[in-house]
Amino acid sequence: DIQMTQSPSSLSASVGDRVTITCRASQSISSYLNWYQQKPGKAPKLLIYAASSLQSGVPSRFSGSGSGTDFTLTISSLQPEDFATYYCQQSYSTPGFTFGPGTKVDIK
Amino acid sequence: QVQLQESGPGLVKPSETLSLTCTVSGGSISSYYWSWIRQPPGKGLEWIGYIYYSGSTNYNPSLKSRVTISVDTSKNQFSLKLSSVTAADTAVYYCARSNRIAVAAPPYWYFDLWGRGTLVTVSS
Repeated sequence: DIQMTQSPSSLSASVGDRVTITCRASQSISSYLNWYQQKPGKAPKLLIYAASSLQSGVPSRFSGSGSGTDFTLTISSLQPEDFATYYCQQSYSTPGFTFGPGTKVDIK
Repeated sequence: QVQLQESGPGLVKPSETLSLTCTVSGGSISSYYWSWIRQPPGKGLEWIGYIYYSGSTNYNPSLKSRVTISVDTSKNQFSLKLSSVTAADTAVYYCARSNRIAVAAPPYWYFDLWGRGTLVTVSS
């Protein structure tokens, strides 16, 4: 099974900050990595697919990079609506899509 | 626009079968894959399985022995059955569209449309 880890597990940031979240896979997954944003009481929302492709309608301040085992999600200038929990998810190994444990971004 | 809505009992007794339905509105269930994903309270996300509109399925190996996903194209619905439930199956259950891009092998998969989720509690 492919295991996903994320760091940090939580972070505090201010509006306007540049934020970077890291996701690591237990084995190479090429670019088969997606990122989701989840706000309390809501369903996750797809932000990035295939490691770096921005989902339609998602603001351009979100970007993804990486390949192999190490990936990053970057928010270039944090906005008030970006405070949420972020999950990575690998789609290389099917069946068995797996998610990372999440990174909570809250207000400093 | 396409919307997904989960429905089913919010309380299930231990050892019984959890049954949920997802209704797809605003679009056809055909030509897509459809997944169930769950999230225990305060915890992370777990993919349960998916079904193609034709009826072919793929399940998470950790749940495979207890899971059945079916589709009813005439009603634009797909359903989840999870048998022999325990308290560990208490979670918010989401249905989601599983989109894929076949530009490489394997294809790129992602969940691009989600229902609001429904909380299922397993308790006597």
